[in-house]
Amino acid sequence: DAKTTQPPSMDCAEGRAANLPCNHSTISGNEYVYWYRQIHSQGPQYIIHGLKNNETNEMASLIITEDRKSSTLILPHATLRDTAVYYCIGMDSNYQLIWGAGTKLIIKP
Amino acid sequence: DAGVIQSPRHEVTEMGQEVTLRCKPISGHNSLFWYRQTMMRGLELLIYFNNNVPIDDSGMPEDRFSAKMPNASFSTLKIQPSEPRDSAVYFCASSLRLAGSYEQYFGPGTRLTVT
Repeated sequence: DAKTTQPPSMDCAEGRAANLPCNHSTISGNEYVYWYRQIHSQGPQYIIHGLKNNETNEMASLIITEDRKSSTLILPHATLRDTAVYYCIGMDSNYQLIWGAGTKLIIKP
Repeated sequence: DAGVIQSPRHEVTEMGQEVTLRCKPISGHNSLFWYRQTMMRGLELLIYFNNNVPIDDSGMPEDRFSAKMPNASFSTLKIQPSEPRDSAVYFCASSLRLAGSYEQYFGPGTRLTVT
């Protein structure tokens, strides 16, 4: 089962790129890494996931290192509405998401 | 699509009362998940269904908790009798589980307060 490690909190200036790191050194070769975020008082929101290659969608980019032991979620132009807890998540052997404590990202004006 | 729908959004009840939480998953999704979130324990998976069948209920705290999924468009989570320690936000999520694609989509949650 994949376990992930994230910093508990980060700040980022509005309009700048927010880079959120995640270590997942125990991830196996066929396990995806998922990123979700949870804005205060709302349900978690899916952002992106990846296996080996870098991924990009309308919300964010995901950069996965070649050894797959870590990844970085990039919000290219952070806004105040991006303030949330961001979860980097692995999966267990039954393909269930393993939730940690996440990173509390605060976007400052 | 309206997304995952949960009701009620807020529930306040007295200890010992029965509580029923409801969930309508996204149409076409074949998996449904019930989670509980508290400050102390974070997000915990209680139970999940695949094609309306309960697959893993190992996260259900005790016999006071039960969940059903009578059809593909409806599920309930029942607590009987409720206790103050059950106070939490309960989320329902649904997923279309395909190889390589297991992302879950969450509802807005039900905030339960047991006094």
